[in-house]
Amino acid sequence: AQSVTQPDIHITVSEGASLELRCNYSYGATPYLFWYVQSPGQGLQLLLKYFSGDTLVQGIKGFEAEFKRSQSSFNLRKPSVHWSDAAEYFCAVGSHSGGGADGLTFGKGTHLIIQP
Amino acid sequence: DVKVTQSSRYLVKRTGEKVFLECVQDMDHENMFWYRQDPGLGLRLIYFSYDVKMKEKGDIPEGYSVSREKKERFSLILESASTNQTSMYLCASITGTGAYEQYFGPGTRLTVT
Repeated sequence: AQSVTQPDIHITVSEGASLELRCNYSYGATPYLFWYVQSPGQGLQLLLKYFSGDTLVQGIKGFEAEFKRSQSSFNLRKPSVHWSDAAEYFCAVGSHSGGGADGLTFGKGTHLIIQP
Repeated sequence: DVKVTQSSRYLVKRTGEKVFLECVQDMDHENMFWYRQDPGLGLRLIYFSYDVKMKEKGDIPEGYSVSREKKERFSLILESASTNQTSMYLCASITGTGAYEQYFGPGTRLTVT
């Protein structure tokens, strides 16, 4: 069974500083990986996804993530955070066998706090 | 833009009541999902459906059932609501197999008293 670990429950970053959110996955083959963001009172919005090819993927809002097979990681980064980035961030993995039709497995989330 | 809507943003029900949570998508998507979101637990899959009248159990189906009579609508049913079902419920849909990217509704925050 696949699983996702987000080791950091809360992270506090100063506005303008760089950000890295960690994600480790467990899956028997090449995974399909996602990062979603949830602003307060909102549903989930897709930031970026990795299916294959270039291991550095670019997303919306200036975010990027790097797939590292050797470390089973898919960490999310942003060079300079803005106060509007304060939100809950979820890493998720999808299985090949289900073709995406059997749902995603999510991590428990990282709550990002931005200090002025 | 894909639109996934949920019938209520907030819902308060009493223990033992039968509860219906409705989800509608407007993009002719094949697959629909119900997740439950709890603090510190992330999102957990309750049920999903890949076609009208078809359903599959997710990771935590106990205490829930679903209905999909029309392609655009996927309902989550709590037959007899209990306090441990107080949670945020999120609906999602995807185009079909191989699509992967899930589009989420805004969520329904259900409180069972």
